[in-house]
Amino acid sequence: RKEVEQDPGPFNVPEGATVAFNCTYSNSASQSFFWYRQDCRKEPKLLMSVYSSGNEDGRFTAQLNRASQYISLLIRDSKLSDSATYLCVVNDGFNKFYFGSGTKLNVKP
Amino acid sequence: DVKVTQSSRYLVKRTGEKVFLECVQDMDHENMFWYRQDPGLGLRLIYFSYDVKMKEKGDIPEGYSVSREKKERFSLILESASTNQTSMYLCASSFQGAEKLFFGSGTQLSVL
Repeated sequence: RKEVEQDPGPFNVPEGATVAFNCTYSNSASQSFFWYRQDCRKEPKLLMSVYSSGNEDGRFTAQLNRASQYISLLIRDSKLSDSATYLCVVNDGFNKFYFGSGTKLNVKP
Repeated sequence: DVKVTQSSRYLVKRTGEKVFLECVQDMDHENMFWYRQDPGLGLRLIYFSYDVKMKEKGDIPEGYSVSREKKERFSLILESASTNQTSMYLCASSFQGAEKLFFGSGTQLSVL
């Protein structure tokens, strides 16, 4: 069983749409949680950390449900520049980061 | 700006060759990591190091070894390259206990 599971997509949405990605993780002892963004043929970059209380950064909102071992990312008012692959990442508390295989988002004009 | 530099962007090697992938970071990070990324499988951890000369196996260490003689440099070695090691290799670094990983731009390795 994979440590982190994501729907691979692709999600094809029009500009201005709201889109949500989900992710589940298998290790209940996981300590910290993140969303990374990866553009085509580029390296992953941190988008935001995810906290139990939920956190928001502009058009992006991330939520963590520890009981269900579930992480989500909501993007409001999608822009063309949001087109990328979004990686769900979980840290085991011992310097090891586990990556989901990514969800591809295509925002169309 | 943090910089993680990987020595080659593209590399083509033959089966059986010994391959060295080099990674250098300039932020005095304690932790360094080697991942490989394959379509549908995401990033998988090969090895990581939390200090000079210290290393730990990740999830897929078979066929690989690493070397960390200096804090800023972490090398991945393919002792005898095989075609199933054709992949994108990504190096990353971070401070101890940090949330953020900084990645190099990756090396696309093709083993023929």
